[in-house]
Formats: sequence, structure tokens, C-alpha cells
Amino acid sequence: QSALTQPRSVSGSPGQSVTISCTGTSSDFADYNYVSWYQQHPDKAPKLIIFSVNKRPSGVPDRFSGSNSGNAASLTISGLQPEDEGDYYCFSYAGNYAVFGGGTKLTVL
Amino acid sequence: EVQLLESGGGLVPRGGSLRLACEGSGFSFSAYAMTWVRQAPGKGLEWVSAITGGGITTYHADSVKGRFTISRDNSKNTLYLEMNSLRAGDTAVYYCAKGMYNMDVWGKGTAVTVSS
Repeated sequence: QSALTQPRSVSGSPGQSVTISCTGTSSDFADYNYVSWYQQHPDKAPKLIIFSVNKRPSGVPDRFSGSNSGNAASLTISGLQPEDEGDYYCFSYAGNYAVFGGGTKLTVL
Repeated sequence: EVQLLESGGGLVPRGGSLRLACEGSGFSFSAYAMTWVRQAPGKGLEWVSAITGGGITTYHADSVKGRFTISRDNSKNTLYLEMNSLRAGDTAVYYCAKGMYNMDVWGKGTAVTVSS
């Protein structure tokens, strides 16, 4: 049950796009329907922003999108906004266990 | 409004025990699986435990297996995490969340500090 692998940090200017990768084993991604992404601002609880690889909960801007390929999932944020700055975590439910990624700090320059 | 409110955190000596609770409101509590997630100071999120809506099936991370037990009382709309043999590495903010595959509602968290 090792953490999924994410880049420690990414950055971009307002209006640009950034992509955060999330890699693991074939067991970790047994079912891509169970891959989700969370945004966390300092001293706040995490917030679900993508589920089932590429679905967005109500209220999440369509600037956020998800995809998958092999043993990896990705989160893309288009048209970066200052409020997008924060930490992002991928998550996968793998049957009898679940695991988060190590987290990626997004800086909006 | 859908809400989750954790309680029960605090300072506990190494080797001690603590029971966390999470009360849900604004949704049909028994219809949803529930999850505990923790975050050590300055660290990332760590999945801890999950339980199905009826409470029949539970899952625990290897790091807490045999020491922590997740349970629920649907008559009280409350989720629990019984923590025993606590270690310094268990120091964290503990969040409860609605759902198992996708956690769409989170509480504000309750802090647990294990002292040496």
C-alpha cells in the first residue's frame, strides 16, 4: 500500500494549463471508475474535484478535467486562476484497500 | 445541508487509546459508505479505514490494521474510529468523509496528538 506517485510541485501563470500525473501499479488502478482527485487549500478539508476519472461534481468548473492511460491518471487544469493554488491529491480505491497520491503543490505564478 | 462533524480528538500518551466520532446530517446516513482519512502535520493525505453503509464490511490500511477499528451506528447517524496502541506516527488531523470510492463531503477534522 505505497502512495501513488505524483510530482511534488507544478506551477503556471494565470490563463495557462498544467497537468498533474499520478502513477501506480496495475493493482492500484484495478478499476479506473474509482480514481478521483482532491483539492486542498491550507488549513482546509480536501474537496472532491474529479471522480470516476473524468467526472466533475456540481459546482466544479469545467477547467478541471481528468484522464487515464495505463497505470496512470492525470488531472489537467486549464485557464489557471489564482484560487487554483493549493495541494492536489489523486486517490484510487483498489478493492480491499485505497491509496492517495503523495500530493502536488500547485503554484500560480 | 449535508454536514459531517468529527469529535473526540485530543492529546493521548503513547500506547493509549482514543475513540473518534463523526456525526452526519442532511443525508441518508445509512445509505452511504464512510471513510476516515488522516493528515500528519505538514504531510499528505493518508487513507485509514472505510466501512460499507450497513456496517457489514470494513477495510483498514496496513499501517493501522489490528490497532484501529472502524464502526458505525446508523440509528445515531454516527461513524466511529476506535484507536488503540497509539504511536507517535498516528499524530494527525483525522477527517471523516462520505463515500468510499469518491469522498464528496468532508468534515473539518479532529486533531489527535500522541505524546511520548
